[in-house]
Amino acid sequence: DAGITQSPRHKVTETGTPVTLRCHQTENHRYMYWYRQDPGHGLRLIHYSYGVKDTDKGEVSDGYSVSRSKTEDFLLTLESATSSQTSVYFCATVAGPISTDTQYFGPGTRLTVL
Amino acid sequence: AQSVTQLGSHVSVSEGALVLLRCNYSSSVPPYLFWYVQYPNQGLQLLLKYTSAATLVKGINGFEAEFKKSETSFHLTKPSAHMSDAAEYFCAVSDLGGNEKLTFGTGTRLTIIP
Repeated sequence: DAGITQSPRHKVTETGTPVTLRCHQTENHRYMYWYRQDPGHGLRLIHYSYGVKDTDKGEVSDGYSVSRSKTEDFLLTLESATSSQTSVYFCATVAGPISTDTQYFGPGTRLTVL
Repeated sequence: AQSVTQLGSHVSVSEGALVLLRCNYSSSVPPYLFWYVQYPNQGLQLLLKYTSAATLVKGINGFEAEFKKSETSFHLTKPSAHMSDAAEYFCAVSDLGGNEKLTFGTGTRLTIIP
């Protein structure tokens, strides 16, 4: 457990509304990640960050944006939620190089877009 | 790009029987490989990882995996299944391009039959 919390843990929203999910870590890890998990697709990377204000896109970044103004916080925003964004969202952090260091995951946020 | 394929989205074994979960990777160079486990309603946690040291890697909870370059495989095994092993298991490969990303397989749900 790397002290990762996600908020909210559950959210129901309507199509077209903006939604922001928060990931907070207490371990001062450099790298942070947002994934979505869907049946049959495993985990897919949305965006990631390799430092404050340094972010990059993952494989499913369309419709999502991120911000990291502090080491401990990584925000994921759905600019205008759609039903296809109904999913479970996981935040993860890594202290050092992901090729060798362990990636720690938060408990997840279940988002439903009606 | 790196990728992993997990054969079998669902695997059922009897308690006390051998557990074998299959993972094949595609890479032109030896990659770094990982197995993660997800218990119901939780985030993922690392089981074990291969980082080019010993080809037989031992992890937590009695699991191990063997890196076989000739077969491009990294199958996960446990000699004797326990009820507590029921979970979803994900194989993952590290992107060697220095992009600090993992690519996950689609997962295998393991059911233990009493």
